[in-house]
Amino acid sequence: EPEVTQTPSHQVTQMGQEVILRCVPISNHLYFYWYRQILGQKVEFLVSFYNNEISEKSEIFDDQFSVERPDGSNFTLKIRSTKLEDSAMYFCASGRTVGSYNEQFFGPGTRLTVL
Amino acid sequence: QKEVEQNSGPLSVPEGAIASLNCTYSDRGSQSFFWYRQYSGKSPELIMSIYSNGDKEDGRFTAQLNKASQYVSLLIRDSQPSDSATYLCASQTAGNKLTFGGGTRVLVKP
Repeated sequence: EPEVTQTPSHQVTQMGQEVILRCVPISNHLYFYWYRQILGQKVEFLVSFYNNEISEKSEIFDDQFSVERPDGSNFTLKIRSTKLEDSAMYFCASGRTVGSYNEQFFGPGTRLTVL
Repeated sequence: QKEVEQNSGPLSVPEGAIASLNCTYSDRGSQSFFWYRQYSGKSPELIMSIYSNGDKEDGRFTAQLNKASQYVSLLIRDSQPSDSATYLCASQTAGNKLTFGGGTRVLVKP
């Protein structure tokens, strides 16, 4: 069964450094998302991406964040200058339309630790 | 602030019993609802989706939706120790983003 994959599984970085989190969505899906989950808290929406552009973003997704689909398979999240509060699990999800809703399947996540 | 609320638990059920999980949402614009299972340290795994009022069954799982009461529930029949996890309720609006509740931790005791 096709799965969403993410690399790396764990990223440790110094505050102020740039990080790029990578995702390979399920191949025939057209919708891509990033969510994050701070330890012990809810899963939070960051951004959705469709047809090579951002379709929606949350308040968390400020100018320090960007997304890109550099080729036909990868989907990346870049954080330009990491802060301590960016430490979280970052989940990529890919989605398919089923009737009137969009089913989303999550990757295994990247644990980002900012020191 | 559009919220999805769940009792954090833990909900302790004996093996073989029915686990009943509840979720309420505040955004009347929510159109579809999802239940995800999340094992500790792992990612959310989609187990059920529902968008019409009423019941939807899939194997041991039944999702129930009542849009008038803004209420979603999940029943797990014949609960197994492997069902021990946190169950996340999520709502979806027309824009496709998911809004998650905090999850209910379920503990199935042999």
